Amino acid sequence: DAGVIQSPRHEVTEMGQEVTLRCKPISGHNSLFWYRQTMMRGLELLIYFNNNVPIDDSGMPEDRFSAKMPNASFSTLKIQPSEPRDSAVYFCASSRQRGRTYEQYFGPGTRLTVT
Amino acid sequence: KQEVTQIPAALSVPEGENLVLNCSFTDSAIYNLQWFRQDPGKGLTSLLLIQSSQREQTSGRLNASLDKSSGRSTLYIAASQPGDSATYLCAVNNNDMRFGAGTRLTVKP
Repeated sequence: DAGVIQSPRHEVTEMGQEVTLRCKPISGHNSLFWYRQTMMRGLELLIYFNNNVPIDDSGMPEDRFSAKMPNASFSTLKIQPSEPRDSAVYFCASSRQRGRTYEQYFGPGTRLTVT
Repeated sequence: KQEVTQIPAALSVPEGENLVLNCSFTDSAIYNLQWFRQDPGKGLTSLLLIQSSQREQTSGRLNASLDKSSGRSTLYIAASQPGDSATYLCAVNNNDMRFGAGTRLTVKP
């Protein structure tokens, strides 16, 4: 298995531009998580999906952030418009949910820089 | 709201030493706890998952224990090696995934 795939690996954009991050979970996993990691705040859960349905988006910082999962093999995290404070590493993780247990597998991350 | 704390924040040991990393959490009603390692500039690699009904899990030189009632987990690394140098994070699941800030481990040759 290729593991969780994220693209792009690096993104540099100007303030005000739209940014779309992409994630392909591990085949057969039914849960998907988006995280943001910064030096100041560490790893923060933004949103997670079970069976393509958003379960908890309370971590999404503002309306500028949106996430979709149109099918079991693809998810996007969009920031529009982007701001310099959005600069961070964004991770996607997937899991096969067993009861209430999640064993998460992480992708390599997308390093976003907003200038 | 679940708070997850990892102590120490950084640790430096000579090669061959056995060591313990600590993770504490405030809400003991958890479903599982997972330990990860993160190398600089990389993603997280899963090390061990402990379900709420389990007391410990072992993988090679790693042993993780869980004491739900006291809100604590420890990661024991035996016979440490320079390749173990990384940041170790614990994550707690109680329907809200929370990560600790991590322990940065350096194993000196």
